Amino acid sequence: DAKTTQPPSMDCAEGRAANLPCNHSTISGNEYVYWYRQIHSQGPQYIIHGLKNNETNEMASLIITEDRKSSTLILPHATLRDTAVYYCIVSTRDSNYQLIWGAGTKLIIKP
Amino acid sequence: KAGVTQTPRYLIKTRGQQVTLSCSPISGHRSVSWYQQTPGQGLQFLFEYFSETQRNKGNFPGRFSGRQFSNSRSEMNVSTLELGDSALYLCASSGLDRLAEQYFGPGTRLTVT
Repeated sequence: DAKTTQPPSMDCAEGRAANLPCNHSTISGNEYVYWYRQIHSQGPQYIIHGLKNNETNEMASLIITEDRKSSTLILPHATLRDTAVYYCIVSTRDSNYQLIWGAGTKLIIKP
Repeated sequence: KAGVTQTPRYLIKTRGQQVTLSCSPISGHRSVSWYQQTPGQGLQFLFEYFSETQRNKGNFPGRFSGRQFSNSRSEMNVSTLELGDSALYLCASSGLDRLAEQYFGPGTRLTVT
């Protein structure tokens, strides 16, 4: 079973920041938080990952709470092309890791 | 850099047949993972290969198998196809240092009739 809980769907207006929450209350000390997204009919796309510090790249920002039990993916200026299913996954980075995928959040960006 | 490629993109088979799917990872990537995606079960991990060795395996029956070649290209095989094997099969590759950022191919859509 997935170790994360995400809302099944969210809407966001184009141009606004999209904030996608994820709960991972049972996360272990050596587990990272990963975010991927899957645009319809395409393979998933890696977005960002982090351990405990906040992370930012050209696509998004990842905010992880101090107790690491939850995180938020932020798309700063959402566009229609950001409409996708967003997956939050926790996993170790050792050789036995597996990415266990939940149902994700269907994010719909509205014009 | 070229992305992950998968062939064929679409496939129709009948029950009882077998099928082989191919995946070419990003150049320099040595880890290749396979996933099955269905509307009911979502994305499920099949197995992962690293340097021609299966390193991890998900909870799928033995009808699902794979292999990896010395150039890191990978194939997966499903024998004795069942209707429930209809799915999108995704391949993903990871870099040399085994970071878990995976780069996915477009998938192979398998339909079993």
